[in-house]
Amino acid sequence: EPEVTQTPSHQVTQMGQEVILRCVPISNHLYFYWYRQILGQKVEFLVSFYNNEISEKSEIFDDQFSVERPDGSNFTLKIRSTKLEDSAMYFCASRRDSSNQPQHFGDGTRLSIL
Amino acid sequence: DAKTTQPNSMESNEEEPVHLPCNHSTISGTDYIHWYRQLPSQGPEYVIHGLTSNVNNRMASLAIAEDRKSSTLILHRATLRDAAVYYCILDLYGGSQGNLIFGKGTKLSVKP
Repeated sequence: EPEVTQTPSHQVTQMGQEVILRCVPISNHLYFYWYRQILGQKVEFLVSFYNNEISEKSEIFDDQFSVERPDGSNFTLKIRSTKLEDSAMYFCASRRDSSNQPQHFGDGTRLSIL
Repeated sequence: DAKTTQPNSMESNEEEPVHLPCNHSTISGTDYIHWYRQLPSQGPEYVIHGLTSNVNNRMASLAIAEDRKSSTLILHRATLRDAAVYYCILDLYGGSQGNLIFGKGTKLSVKP
């Protein structure tokens, strides 16, 4: 069964540095998402992406965050200048279309900011 | 966003059925009821979804009340691998590009 893959599984970065988290969504999916989960807390929506542009974003997704689909297969989340509070699990998800289809999640990247 | 209410935790014995309840009294006519689960150290995993009729798949069954204000996820024979946090989420058909709003879910423990 096709799956969403994320790399790296664990990223350790110094505060203030830029970080790029990578995702390969399922190939025939059209909608892409990033979520994050701070340790012990709820999964929180960050951003949705469709047709090469952001569809929706949450309050968390400020100017320090950006997303890109640089080619036909990758979907990336960039944090420009990381803060300690960015430490979390980041999950990528994709969905085939906007109807009642489920989202498929990757296993996440654990981001640790030192 | 329409909200759901779930118990914080539940316990089950292995090989026994589990009924996980969810209340969604403010559901609108076009909201689908989705269930996801999150196993330890993994991303959320889709389990099942429905609109009005009960649904079955290889993982579980979903029983939806006639007034749609509540639903129950049924695991027919719990295994140790089913220990996870289960989320009941309302997904507006065709709306909001489908971003999911997760609550705290129900933490299911399965005893051998």
